[in-house]
Amino acid sequence: EVQLVESGGGLAQPGGSLRLSCAASEFIFSNYAMSWVRQAPGKGLEWVSTISETDGRTFYADSVKGRFTISRDNSKSMVYLQMNSLRDDDTAVYYCAKGIFTGVVVSFDYWGQGTLVTASS
Amino acid sequence: EIVLTQSPATLSLSPGERATLSCRASQSVDIYLAWYQQKPGQAPRLLIYDASNRATGIPARFSGSGSGTDFTLTISSLEPEDFAVYYCQQRKIWPPVTFGQGTRLEI
Repeated sequence: EVQLVESGGGLAQPGGSLRLSCAASEFIFSNYAMSWVRQAPGKGLEWVSTISETDGRTFYADSVKGRFTISRDNSKSMVYLQMNSLRDDDTAVYYCAKGIFTGVVVSFDYWGQGTLVTASS
Repeated sequence: EIVLTQSPATLSLSPGERATLSCRASQSVDIYLAWYQQKPGQAPRLLIYDASNRATGIPARFSGSGSGTDFTLTISSLEPEDFAVYYCQQRKIWPPVTFGQGTRLEI
């Protein structure tokens, strides 16, 4: 069974940084784009970022562009989200998600359990 | 940016009834629309991709239809475990990937 396990969430001050990690297993990681999707408390889903499967192309929501960086390590089946210059409105549960098909596909068939990021003083 | 508008915001039904949820796109997304179910404290679960294809393990009572700008998720006969929030999402034109605001299906 495909597994995605996020870690790295927690409390950070506005202006601070956090690095989220997502460990993937039970699928050929290097064949699929990976994404981060977040959900603020009591709100809907918001796409954050996507990284292509092998050539490192990255895509960002305008709300995080220039502050967040997505990366991956195919040798370790890991995807990361470096979050800098955190703002109050970055507070959310962050989910790691796998594309449904090989290639850069942004519908998501598997999701992690989420990790909570709280940006607050 | 493609805006997805879901209706109704809340749908109140009983087990055994039929549920019809709507998602309208601000411009054509062809068939590139997915539906997700989310229960409290859980991650979203993919139900339907590319408008009408059931994801692996999804019961046959869930079906999707539509193309272009108008889409429907139908649950033919509600089970108690179907009461949740449902989101549509498009992948035709991105970034950004966009989601609808959700429909809460309640008893």
